[in-house]
Amino acid sequence: RKEVEQDPGPFNVPEGATVAFNCTYSNSASQSFFWYRQDCRKEPKLLMSVYSSGNEDGRFTAQLNRASQYISLLIRDSKLSDSATYLCVVNRGAGSYQLTFGKGTKLSVIP
Amino acid sequence: EAQVTQNPRYLITVTGKKLTVTCSQNMNHEYMSWYRQDPGLGLRQIYYSMNVEVTDKGDVPEGYKVSRKEKRNFPLILESPSPNQTSLYFCASSFLTSGGNTGELFFGEGSRLTVL
Repeated sequence: RKEVEQDPGPFNVPEGATVAFNCTYSNSASQSFFWYRQDCRKEPKLLMSVYSSGNEDGRFTAQLNRASQYISLLIRDSKLSDSATYLCVVNRGAGSYQLTFGKGTKLSVIP
Repeated sequence: EAQVTQNPRYLITVTGKKLTVTCSQNMNHEYMSWYRQDPGLGLRQIYYSMNVEVTDKGDVPEGYKVSRKEKRNFPLILESPSPNQTSLYFCASSFLTSGGNTGELFFGEGSRLTVL
């Protein structure tokens, strides 16, 4: 099993749609989880951290399932500006300074 | 403005010609790191640093060197570049949390390197 695995997509969805991405991780000791967004040829930027209790930021909801070792990102009411690649990022355990990046899921929101 | 600055942004060089990619951050972050991004492989960590004079190898350190003589700077050195080091390079920085993990990573804009 790869350390961090994501469906590469692309996900092509119409404006206003709800879209969900999943990410699985193999290291049960991982403690920190993030979703980053990367626009084409640009640097990644933090979208949101993922907490055990789940968290929401506007149209975005992130959830963590430790038992099944996956995290998810839900985007409601998709906008054209949401088109990007979404990177799942997981640390390697308590006190680890290393993060493992998934290869990303590409989202295209279509008018 | 809080930022991570990398230079050069674009560089074409030839095999064997030593080069340095500079990285500087103005956020007083303890942690700094270098990544390379290649199609189909995602972001892979080259080296990282937890503080001044403290560095460690990431997943793909071969062919690279780093130094951390000042907190704000973390240059990436390619002593003898080869074509397989053609890539998009990102520098990133972060505070360290009380639990000893990295917080939000702030990335530079990237340096696109081509080695002929």
